[in-house]
Amino acid sequence: AQKVTQAQTEISVVEKEDVTLDCVYETRDTTYYLFWYKQPPSGELVFLIRRNSFDEQNEISGRYSWNFQKSTSSFNFTITASQVVDSAVYFCALIQETSGSRLTFGEGTQLTVNP
Amino acid sequence: KAGVTQTPRYLIKTRGQQVTLSCSPISGHRSVSWYQQTPGQGLQFLFEYFSETQRNKGNFPGRFSGRQFSNSRSEMNVSTLELGDSALYLCASSLAGLAGKNIQYFGAGTRLSVL
Repeated sequence: AQKVTQAQTEISVVEKEDVTLDCVYETRDTTYYLFWYKQPPSGELVFLIRRNSFDEQNEISGRYSWNFQKSTSSFNFTITASQVVDSAVYFCALIQETSGSRLTFGEGTQLTVNP
Repeated sequence: KAGVTQTPRYLIKTRGQQVTLSCSPISGHRSVSWYQQTPGQGLQFLFEYFSETQRNKGNFPGRFSGRQFSNSRSEMNVSTLELGDSALYLCASSLAGLAGKNIQYFGAGTRLSVL
């Protein structure tokens, strides 16, 4: 069985602060994929990043960076110099190769960036 | 390129009624998945359709059903509505739904309220 845990239910920061969203996953498959999605108040889930289990290279995209560590089963997401527009619910998700297209989501982290 | 389109955006129904939700995938995408989002259960996978066939199914009662047409558009039906069916229903499309190899892109959802 697979599981994704986002222990931080809500995070509130002031603009320009850095913030890290934690994600811990469980899976028995050796091949799996990890994702981060952003859900603004409009409701649509916006794809941010995908990582496969064989690629532990960290990634940076503008103010966003992701740290994937198989040793701790974690896939953390950092926003540098946060902005008000980053306010949203962020979801970490997992697909096992054996589970087809079934995404297993974490509970989500509500990020509020205050001006 | 147009994104995933879900209609209607909002629906209000009463207990016992049935409802049909529609999803038009991104052009060229052949896999459509449906998810239910509620405050209590979070995001849960309902089912996936590929080439007009249900390929994967989550743990939902038989009142939840779906279908896919030859143009990849999909509909989801819920019969004998219960109060607990009130949720945001999200549709996601991907090229072929091959586990995590194809990214799932989401629509803005249909918010269903059951009174």
